[in-house]
Amino acid sequence: DAGVTQSPTHLIKTRGQQVTLRCSPKSGHDTVSWYQQALGQGPQFIFQYYEEEERQRGNFPDRFSGHQFPNYSSELNVNALLLGDSALYLCASSTPLKGHGYTFGSGTRLTVV
Amino acid sequence: GENVEQHPSTLSVQEGDSAVIKCTYSDSASNYFPWYKQELGKRPQLIIDIRSNVGEKKDQRIAVTLNKTAKHFSLHITETQPEDSAVYFCAASRETGGFKTIFGAGTRLFVKA
Repeated sequence: DAGVTQSPTHLIKTRGQQVTLRCSPKSGHDTVSWYQQALGQGPQFIFQYYEEEERQRGNFPDRFSGHQFPNYSSELNVNALLLGDSALYLCASSTPLKGHGYTFGSGTRLTVV
Repeated sequence: GENVEQHPSTLSVQEGDSAVIKCTYSDSASNYFPWYKQELGKRPQLIIDIRSNVGEKKDQRIAVTLNKTAKHFSLHITETQPEDSAVYFCAASRETGGFKTIFGAGTRLFVKA
């Protein structure tokens, strides 16, 4: 059983560019949450998707947007990249049917230069 | 807004000793409290969780306690081993409705052999 898979694993972008990160949830999970983890910090909640809709959102600007597809996979898009967007982006999947413990992906390391 | 504070930020113990990590949360509606372990360069992994209708939960060498009145919860690791060295995150969430999970800043635990 594949867990949560994220792609790409590493990415280098220039300021002002746009980036798309992808996530496939664990089999049986229908909810995808995205987190930003800066070096030495705890994961910061970006938003959560369920039934193809954004259900919850953290304190992130509109430059951060997402999407969930009918197969529950999800994308995180960031526009107009800033140096401060450099971080590890974690995708976590879950299902309300089995409690709310997350299964995390290995993350995408985004570096903005 | 919701906040989770975690202490200490760094903890160093001798192998075989106990380690205790403490967290407080601000959202009084939180009723689900997971703990995650993140080894260097790896994804966070759920190690134990507790719900608000329970005051204590134990799984082998790890235990969690919850004081809802004080909005405190703690992780206890007994008989620590070098492989327990990692960053530990506490988190809090409202379990119903797939509410967002808020993480603490993390505790870096060093277990010296």
